[in-house]
Amino acid sequence: DVKVTQSSRYLVKRTGEKVFLECVQDMDHENMFWYRQDPGLGLRLIYFSYDVKMKEKGDIPEGYSVSREKKERFSLILESASTNQTSMYLCASTPPGPSGGAGELFFGEGSRLTVL
Amino acid sequence: SQQGEEDPQALSIQEGENATMNCSYKTSINNLQWYRQNSGRGLVHLILIRSNEREKHSGRLRVTLDTSKKSSSLLITASRAADTASYFCATATYNTDKLIFGTGTRLQVFP
Repeated sequence: DVKVTQSSRYLVKRTGEKVFLECVQDMDHENMFWYRQDPGLGLRLIYFSYDVKMKEKGDIPEGYSVSREKKERFSLILESASTNQTSMYLCASTPPGPSGGAGELFFGEGSRLTVL
Repeated sequence: SQQGEEDPQALSIQEGENATMNCSYKTSINNLQWYRQNSGRGLVHLILIRSNEREKHSGRLRVTLDTSKKSSSLLITASRAADTASYFCATATYNTDKLIFGTGTRLQVFP
């Protein structure tokens, strides 16, 4: 069975702390993504990576950075957490899609972050 | 940038009834996908329909795509309580591996 694993299901952090959210996939997928999900706003893309050490900004990259040192691991970093980053964070991976478009995404179970 | 919008935002039905959810989007697409999310969990892929397809079936799921109206619908037939979840459409444009998600429809199926 394919698997995307997010290291923490629930985290509570304080304002100003540095936060690492880790994501590992075992499917040898090239593409990995970080989304955040908020009520009424759906899923919004923060960053994605299409290869090791390659990254691109999504729609809401401010306040976040990412790291992809190995193909299977994609980390999301909050350099200085703020209360408005309280959210559900979802990691996903996919191989290159059909005919130049995105294919099926495989999601992790999510990391619910609360920043106090 | 939100590409897809689902309608309705919430839907409550009895077991055995059919559930229809709609998705509208703004730009040309390569494909459109539907996902399901149980409360507090990750999303699970249900079905992908390409821009040159009009209808696709998978078990009790039927998806239609009308590229002239930039809309899609997901029909779940003979619903079950276990179908209770949020359903999201997501669009893929050409020459990108990004998916843009809509805001979702919350489906409640009462036994």
